[in-house]
Amino acid sequence: NAGVMQNPRHLVRRRGQEARLRCSPMKGHSHVYWYRQLPEEGLKFMVYLQKENIIDESGMPKERFSAEFPKEGPSILRIQQVVRGDSAAYFCASSPPTAGGLRETQYFGPGTRLLVL
Amino acid sequence: AQSVTQPDIHITVSEGASLELRCNYSYGATPYLFWYVQSPGQGLQLLLKYFSGDTLVQGIKGFEAEFKRSQSSFNLRKPSVHWSDAAEYFCAVGVKTSYDKVIFGPGTSLSVIP
Repeated sequence: NAGVMQNPRHLVRRRGQEARLRCSPMKGHSHVYWYRQLPEEGLKFMVYLQKENIIDESGMPKERFSAEFPKEGPSILRIQQVVRGDSAAYFCASSPPTAGGLRETQYFGPGTRLLVL
Repeated sequence: AQSVTQPDIHITVSEGASLELRCNYSYGATPYLFWYVQSPGQGLQLLLKYFSGDTLVQGIKGFEAEFKRSQSSFNLRKPSVHWSDAAEYFCAVGVKTSYDKVIFGPGTSLSVIP
């Protein structure tokens, strides 16, 4: 069973360009979480999605950032008009769709390191 | 508000020495507690978790953690550290809001001296 996949692993963008980060959850998982890790800082929650639904986006910046998890295909975190402050590692995690709630562990992908020049 | 603190930003220990990483949480109800490890350039891997029952939890790689409700703590321990344990360690608490949410602490960076 393949783990959580993220691509690209490294992404370089110039200021003003768009960044698209992809996350394929583990097989059978329908819950996806995105986190951002700034240099020397911990993980900050960004958004929680289920298939075709955004459940909680309280950690997402109000502008330029969006996320989706379509019925088919990976979850996408999109950053428009990137700025240098967006440089960070972005991690995706997934968990299965059971009633266990917090008993279900989040499984993390290897992350995408975004560098904005 | 729910939160997790890890008082030690960075810890250095000698190989073979014992280790204790501190974690304190703030949450009104019974928490679900987790410890994750992140090796350089990698994602997070679950070390152990506590949901209920025995307050001493065993995890992978020889780690254990003890839940102490009176102190709102969930400290991670290992009796003898190996050089490969050098990594970033994150404590996390699961809370129930409108849905189940996991809140991470800021992390503790562990260095191991040969």
